[in-house]
This record gives sequence, structure tokens and C-alpha cells, in this order.
Amino acid sequence: AQSVAQPEDQVNVAEGNPLTVKCTYSVSGNPYLFWYVQYPNRGLQFLLKYITGDNLVKGSYGFEAEFNKSQTSFHLKKPSALVSDSALYFCAVRDKAGGSYIPTFGRGTSLIVHP
Amino acid sequence: DGGITQSPKYLFRKEGQNVTLSCEQNLNHDAMYWYRQDPGQGLRLIYYSQIVNDFQKGDIAEGYSVSREKKESFPLTVTSAQKNPTAFYLCASSLTGGVNTEAFFGQGTRLTVV
Repeated sequence: AQSVAQPEDQVNVAEGNPLTVKCTYSVSGNPYLFWYVQYPNRGLQFLLKYITGDNLVKGSYGFEAEFNKSQTSFHLKKPSALVSDSALYFCAVRDKAGGSYIPTFGRGTSLIVHP
Repeated sequence: DGGITQSPKYLFRKEGQNVTLSCEQNLNHDAMYWYRQDPGQGLRLIYYSQIVNDFQKGDIAEGYSVSREKKESFPLTVTSAQKNPTAFYLCASSLTGGVNTEAFFGQGTRLTVV
């Protein structure tokens, strides 16, 4: 089975500082990895995905993610955090089920950016 | 506007009642999904559908039912057999069930048992 893990329930960072939200993966074959963001009482929004190629993937709202095969990690990063970045972040992979692949999510990491 | 629409945003259910949550998409996506979100538990898959007139159980299908009679619509019924239905329900769709396709989500329905 394909899976992802988010080791931190919560990350706190001061506005203007760089932020990192961690994700590790366990997949067989080529990894295809995703990050989503959820604001309170809203659905998830797609941020970025890794398919193949560059290990640094750029996404929406200034976020990027670094893929590291040797560490089986796909950490989400942003050089300078904003208070408005405070939200719940989910790492995801598609797990095989029958003839298709189902979006499967980590438990989520709550990012709190302090003014 | 293209997107995925869930309704209602808030729903209250009495004990022993069945209720149906609506999910409609105009993205021409083949695949649709229902998730349940509880605090601290992430998203758990209830049902999914890869094509019209076909759907499969997810990890927590007991007490729920779905239909997929049209490509655009994937309603979820929470039956009286679901013992603890209070949760935030999310519907999602993707172009295909392929391994590298991202999912698009509706705004969610918050169901409360009263």
C-alpha cells in the first residue's frame, strides 16, 4: 500500500520566517506526491504535486516542496511565512485500489503563523 | 465557473433519520469520492466512483450509501445505521483515477445529530 505520514500535528512559526511542514512517504514504484491546504470550514485546495524531474516543485501562493528520494521525504516549504498561511496542510498520495488509484491523505499538520 | 458544489453547507439530523448530502461537479471528471473528516483523524474514505453506474466501498462505508446515475452527481446518504454521523463531509473529484492526478474538493457539509 502507498501511504504518507506527517510527523507533526502542529507547526508554529513567526511571520516573515521560513516555514517547513514535513511529510514522509512509503510507495512502491515511482512516487507521485501531493500537498493540499484546508482553511477552516472549507474544502481542501490543491497546492502542488511531484511527478518526476526536478526535486524542487513550485506551487500556488509561494509554496514549494522538496522531494528527497534517499530520505523518502516531500517537505512543504515557504521562504517567508504570512499570517494568512495559517491553515491545515495535508500531504497525499494515491493508493492503488482495484484498477485505479485513490487519494490517500496524511493526518494533517496545523500551521500557525504568529504576527 | 467550473467546480464542485456540495449542499447544504450545514445539516441537522434527528436520531433515526436518513439524510442525503448533495455533490455536483461540472468539471467533466470521471472519478468522484466521499470523505469524512473528524478532528485529529484526517480524511477517511467512505465511497468512491470511477465511472457512471459504478461505485466501490471505502474504508468506512458502513451506515452510508451512494449512487452515481449521472457523471456530474454523486450523492451520499447517511442512514440511521450510522451510529456516529456527526462530522464534516467532503466530496472530491478528479479527471481520472490515475496515479498522478490531483483532486478537487467541494466546500464540505457539516452534519450534526440533534
